[in-house]
Amino acid sequence: AQKITQTQPGMFVQEKEAVTLDCTYDTSDPSYGLFWYKQPSSGEMIFLIYQGSYDQQNATEGRYSLNFQKARKSANLVISASQLGDSAMYFCAMKGNQGGKLIFGQGTELSVKP
Amino acid sequence: GAVVSQHPSWVICKSGTSVKIECRSLDFQATTMFWYRQFPKQSLMLMATSNEGSKATYEQGVEKDKFLINHASLTLSTLTVTSAHPEDSSFYICSAESGRGYQETQYFGPGTRLLVL
Repeated sequence: AQKITQTQPGMFVQEKEAVTLDCTYDTSDPSYGLFWYKQPSSGEMIFLIYQGSYDQQNATEGRYSLNFQKARKSANLVISASQLGDSAMYFCAMKGNQGGKLIFGQGTELSVKP
Repeated sequence: GAVVSQHPSWVICKSGTSVKIECRSLDFQATTMFWYRQFPKQSLMLMATSNEGSKATYEQGVEKDKFLINHASLTLSTLTVTSAHPEDSSFYICSAESGRGYQETQYFGPGTRLLVL
């Protein structure tokens, strides 16, 4: 069975500092994709970044980077130079090669302090 | 690119009425769309997978007759909450897939907040 675990219910970070949001996963699929989404208080789910299991390099998208450690089955999201607008819920998700379902973690609520 | 719209964003209705929510992929075609439900401070719960031209696949515990899903075209899926009751009040959010295989990315609509009085 596939599972995503986010162990940090809430995180605080000072504006302009970097923050790492943890995500570990479990799957028996040989190939899979890992995703991070941001959900501000408005409710919409915003796609941030994708990492494929066979990708050799860690994914980066602007201030977002994914620290992918396959042997440890972790896919942590790193946000550099935090901004007040980064305050939101962040969800890690995984999709295997079988079926179309996206498995979500429980989320981490990030608060950026001025 | 990959924009998904959802309408309405807010709906308040009386108990016993039916509510239809539309989900549209605006700039891409989606053979598969998904419907989720989310309670406050919780993760998304997948309700059903909507496939264009075929019946939706419902998750265990989700009532098919209660939550009717129709995927009429490659850009439109609808969720109808039939005979809504206060316990159906929730945040409903849809997504549409773009891409291939495990690299397919789900892009989400802005969600619909349903309040049943």
